[in-house]
Amino acid sequence: EAGVAQSPRYKIIEKRQSVAFWCNPISGHATLYWYQQILGQGPKLLIQFQNNGVVDDSQLPKDRFSAERLKGVDSTLKIQPAKLEDSAVYLCASSKVGNEQFFGPGTRLTVL
Amino acid sequence: RKEVEQDPGPFNVPEGATVAFNCTYSNSASQSFFWYRQDCRKEPKLLMSVYSSGNEDGRFTAQLNRASQYISLLIRDSKLSDSATYLCVVRLTGGGNKLTFGTGTQLKVEL
Repeated sequence: EAGVAQSPRYKIIEKRQSVAFWCNPISGHATLYWYQQILGQGPKLLIQFQNNGVVDDSQLPKDRFSAERLKGVDSTLKIQPAKLEDSAVYLCASSKVGNEQFFGPGTRLTVL
Repeated sequence: RKEVEQDPGPFNVPEGATVAFNCTYSNSASQSFFWYRQDCRKEPKLLMSVYSSGNEDGRFTAQLNRASQYISLLIRDSKLSDSATYLCVVRLTGGGNKLTFGTGTQLKVEL
């Protein structure tokens, strides 16, 4: 069974630029999550979707971050404009409703 | 106070040693508990769930003390391949499967 796919794997941008990350969850997983993991910290949930609806976006900095999952399958996370403190690994995870979350390999973002 | 607190380590232990990690959580509404393992520059993966009665999976034993809001992970006969960061994770009651992660404890097993 294919795992969670993410792209790109690495991205380097300058502050104030925009960036987008893509995630394709495991087939049949209704719930999709985006996490931010800053170096030396555990992952922090940014947003959770169930199908194409948002379940929790309480920790998403909505002034600069946006995410969508229009058809209830793959998802994009965008940052516009990026700040230095956005440098982190962005992890996508998916699960069946209420079940174990499986993580993708992540996108490592460096903001210069 | 952080929702989930762990000693970041690193714990440097010789191969074959027994090592224990501790974790405390602040929200008494926490319902489910897990240990995840994260290898360097890799994604987190579920190591084991933690049950009130305690549970064991091979060389790994997890325990939960709800009264003290304390979780532990014991690794016996540690192997070089156990070197990783161990993340303590909690899920709240009615939290929609939202996981809250600790900062992780780094383990290095040496020859």
